[in-house]
Amino acid sequence: RKEVEQDPGPFNVPEGATVAFNCTYSNSASQSFFWYRQDCRKEPKLLMSVYSSGNEDGRFTAQLNRASQYISLLIRDSKLSDSATYLCVVNGNGGSQGNLIFGKGTKLSVKP
Amino acid sequence: DAGITQSPRHKVTETGTPVTLRCHQTENHRYMYWYRQDPGHGLRLIHYSYGVKDTDKGEVSDGYSVSRSKTEDFLLTLESATSSQTSVYFCAISEGLTSYEQYFGPGTRLTVT
Repeated sequence: RKEVEQDPGPFNVPEGATVAFNCTYSNSASQSFFWYRQDCRKEPKLLMSVYSSGNEDGRFTAQLNRASQYISLLIRDSKLSDSATYLCVVNGNGGSQGNLIFGKGTKLSVKP
Repeated sequence: DAGITQSPRHKVTETGTPVTLRCHQTENHRYMYWYRQDPGHGLRLIHYSYGVKDTDKGEVSDGYSVSRSKTEDFLLTLESATSSQTSVYFCAISEGLTSYEQYFGPGTRLTVT
């Protein structure tokens, strides 16, 4: 099982739609979870951290299910500017594996 | 945005030549990282540093070396570049290791011909 798995997409949605991305991780000892956003030919940028109780930042909601080792990101009222690749990120387990493990990303395209 | 710069931003080099990429930060963060990003693989850790002169290997360290003589600078060297090292290289920084988010530089596009 790969360490962090995401549906690669692309997800093609109209403006105003609600879209959800899912991510599963293999290391049950992972403690830190993030969603990053990466625009085409740009560096990844932190979108939001994911907390055990779930958290919301404007139109974005992140959820964590430790029992199922599953993370989700919900985007409400999609904007054209939300078009990007969304990376699910999880920390490893000690040593260099204490570093962050990045999923391959889910591509979102929001159309007018 | 975090104060991270990378140089050069683009480079084309020939197989067998040495190449050094530079990452410079103004945030005084302890941890610095080098990743490569390739289609179908996502971001993969090459090396990281947890302080001046303290470095460790990541997932794909073969063919790469690093040095950190100052807090603000982290160098990545390809001793003898190969075509398989054609990639986009990102530097990142963080305050801590396991529970801290990382902030990325703008990237260096390296082509080895």
